[in-house]
Amino acid sequence: DVKVTQSSRYLVKRTGEKVFLECVQDMDHENMFWYRQDPGLGLRLIYFSYDVKMKEKGDIPEGYSVSREKKERFSLILESASTNQTSMYLCASSLLQVATNEKLFFGSGTQLSVL
Amino acid sequence: GQQLNQSPQSMFIQEGEDVSMNCTSSSIFNTWLWYKQDPGEGPVLLIALYKAGELTSNGRLTAQFGITRKDSFLNISASIPSDVGIYFCAGRRETSGSRLTFGEGTQLTVNP
Repeated sequence: DVKVTQSSRYLVKRTGEKVFLECVQDMDHENMFWYRQDPGLGLRLIYFSYDVKMKEKGDIPEGYSVSREKKERFSLILESASTNQTSMYLCASSLLQVATNEKLFFGSGTQLSVL
Repeated sequence: GQQLNQSPQSMFIQEGEDVSMNCTSSSIFNTWLWYKQDPGEGPVLLIALYKAGELTSNGRLTAQFGITRKDSFLNISASIPSDVGIYFCAGRRETSGSRLTFGEGTQLTVNP
């Protein structure tokens, strides 16, 4: 069974902390994505990566950075967490080919609360 | 920013009823997708549409790619309690490569 695994289901952090969200996929997918999900706003793309060490900004990259040192792992970093970053974070992966890359496979999400 | 308008935002229906939801945009998309998110899980792809006018079914679900390429529709027939969840439309523009744009989601509640 194919899988995208996010390391934490729930996280509670304090304002100003550095936060790492980890995502691992076992499907040998080239593309990996980080979204945040907020009620009434749908899924918004933060960053994505189409290869190891490659990254591109999504629609809302401010306050975030990412790291992709290995093909199967894509990390989202909140450099200094703020309360407006309280959200559900979803990792996803897909194959590189344009014809199939919309078949995103999502992890179960990490609900982050910043106090 | 958000370029897909999805409606309705929420629906409360009785088991057995049919459901319709739609997604519109001011931009042209060359792929339309519909995802479902069960409570506590990530979204899962239901239907993918690749051609204007295309009508595709997946069991009780039917989706259509609008002729103008600026909208898409999802219908669920004879709803059952396990249809509960959030339904998202998503689109890919020709110039956006691997990136998808998601709608705001439709929260569906089915009363037994």
